Amino acid sequence: GAGVSQTPSNKVTEKGKYVELRCDPISGHTALYWYRQSLGQGPEFLIYFQGTGAADDSGLPNDRFFAVRPEGSVSTLKIQRTERGDSAVYLCASSLLAVSYNEQFFGPGTRLTVL
Amino acid sequence: QQQVKQSPQSLIVQKGGIPIINCAYENTAFDYFPWYQQFPGKGPALLIAIRPDVSEKKEGRFTISFNKSAKQFSLHIMDSQPGDSATYFCAARSNYQLIWGAGTKLIIKP
Repeated sequence: GAGVSQTPSNKVTEKGKYVELRCDPISGHTALYWYRQSLGQGPEFLIYFQGTGAADDSGLPNDRFFAVRPEGSVSTLKIQRTERGDSAVYLCASSLLAVSYNEQFFGPGTRLTVL
Repeated sequence: QQQVKQSPQSLIVQKGGIPIINCAYENTAFDYFPWYQQFPGKGPALLIAIRPDVSEKKEGRFTISFNKSAKQFSLHIMDSQPGDSATYFCAARSNYQLIWGAGTKLIIKP
């Protein structure tokens, strides 16, 4: 079956602009996660959804970042007033359940470049 | 306390050799320790994982050794091949949140 998909694969924007990054999880997966991966680093947790609700958004760096998952499937990460420091690869993952041993399946990521 | 420290940062091994990547953690609440493999332009993919009640787990050419008292775990790749060249990440999980090491860029020379 299809894996986690993310669009766009690349996004170049100018400082101060608004961007939306989309994640399509594996069908039937109730848990969805967003991570940010800077060059040469491991992914950093941003937010986790269980169903439609954000169960933990403690990793969002500031209030310019927001994510939604209105129907419990597709999720959108929204970044307002982008800054150069927001440049990174944004990874989405999903898992069947949000329990410790459930494997998280990752999408290929969206590479965001803020000029 | 939430950190996972990974070493080395990069590693070059001849084909057939056994690269070893090490990780250390502090938080005893971690209860699941996966290793991920990431190729350029791709998302991380689960390679092998271990729970802290087991000291070793082997899947094919990949082995995790786990030392609970030392809070350390390592990945060994037997009979390494050029196709194993990738970046490897260790991680530790508490509930749903994965805390990642900084990664090891592994190159297997033919």
